[in-house]
Parts: sequence; structure tokens; C-alpha cells
Amino acid sequence: DGGITQSPKYLFRKEGQNVTLSCEQNLNHDAMYWYRQDPGQGLRLIYYSQIVNDFQKGDIAEGYSVSREKKESFPLTVTSAQKNPTAFYLCASGSPGTQYFGPGTRLLVL
Amino acid sequence: QKEVEQNSGPLSVPEGAIASLNCTYSDRGSQSFFWYRQYSGKSPELIMFIYSNGDKEDGRFTAQLNKASQYVSLLIRDSQPSDSATYLCAVTASSYKLIFGSGTRLLVRP
Repeated sequence: DGGITQSPKYLFRKEGQNVTLSCEQNLNHDAMYWYRQDPGQGLRLIYYSQIVNDFQKGDIAEGYSVSREKKESFPLTVTSAQKNPTAFYLCASGSPGTQYFGPGTRLLVL
Repeated sequence: QKEVEQNSGPLSVPEGAIASLNCTYSDRGSQSFFWYRQYSGKSPELIMFIYSNGDKEDGRFTAQLNKASQYVSLLIRDSQPSDSATYLCAVTASSYKLIFGSGTRLLVRP
């Protein structure tokens, strides 16, 4: 069953805590992306990776970090430096236009 | 800053009518244009793309592009309540980046 998965569906972060969002794809795509969506807003690019062991900052990378050690996996860490992390986080893979999105992770701050 | 602008709506149309969704973009160098549909609480899914000036039809959907006016639109014929969603316009900003508009919310009244 091909697709892109994200976990967890909901994530709660305490003050000063780092949390990691998982993203896995079995579509054999080279490129993967992380977006943030705030209520009533479009998607803003956090990081993207065109190939294993390489990634670039998007438009709102401050307070986030990523790794790309495997083609299938592109985890996102929301660090304590991100002061307003509450949002819907979407991972995608594929070419820039034909992107397949995972189901998303909702991050909430306790 | 490259931008993609959409009216947030909601655009309300009766069932069976034509829904017209509009999008303008600021970067004259943009080459590829996409429409994504996002149901409430879900991730976006690609429904149409267009590269050349003119119209492109796919079932009940027609995408229209006018590069001179920097304008792209999506027409939905015979609108159904199941078409009620937010429609995101997206434009390629580089070989590996998409810029998304904030979306137009469409409500189709039974």
C-alpha cells in the first residue's frame, strides 16, 4: 500500500521541550517537504530535501531542524526556540507541483 | 517576496451551479500552476495543473491561465455539496519550491 504517513496525529509540547514529528514515504520519491499551516492560512515551507543527506531551509526554518538519513524518512524536530509552534504540520513528497501529502500532525502547546 | 493571492471567501453557490475560483500571482517568471483541494481537517490533494495559457479541462474542472495578466482560475461545473472545501492555488517559485495561496473556501448549498 503506497503512500506517505505521519505520526503522531496529535502531539502536545510542554514549554522548553523539543518534539519530533515523523514522516515516512514508500513512493520512492527523492524530494520531501515539510509545511506548516495555521488556521485560515496557506501552507508555508519549513524545510525541503531533494536527496538523501541534503536539505535546504524554506521560508520559516527558524526554530525547526530536520534530517534526511534515509530516502524514505524525513523527520522534523520542533525545538524550544520555536515560540509559537501550535499549527498543523504537513509532510509531502514528490515533484514540486505534484506533491503527495501525508495526513498531518496537529501540534498543540500545553 | 513572491506572492500568490486568493480571496478567502467563503464563496457560496447553489448545487448545480458553476463555481469560479480565482488566483493572482506576482512572479512573472512562474511556469507551473496548480490547484489543490483541502477538506476541513485533512491534507491537500492535487486536482488540476496547468502550464500553458488557455484552458485545461478534466471532468467537471477547468483550469484557466492568463500569464499576461498573471491570473489563474478554477471553474467547477455542476457543483456538488461534496465539492465544499478550501481550494489552494500554488505556483512554482523555483525548481523545487511551491508558493501556496491562503485558499478560498467554497460552500455548495444543497
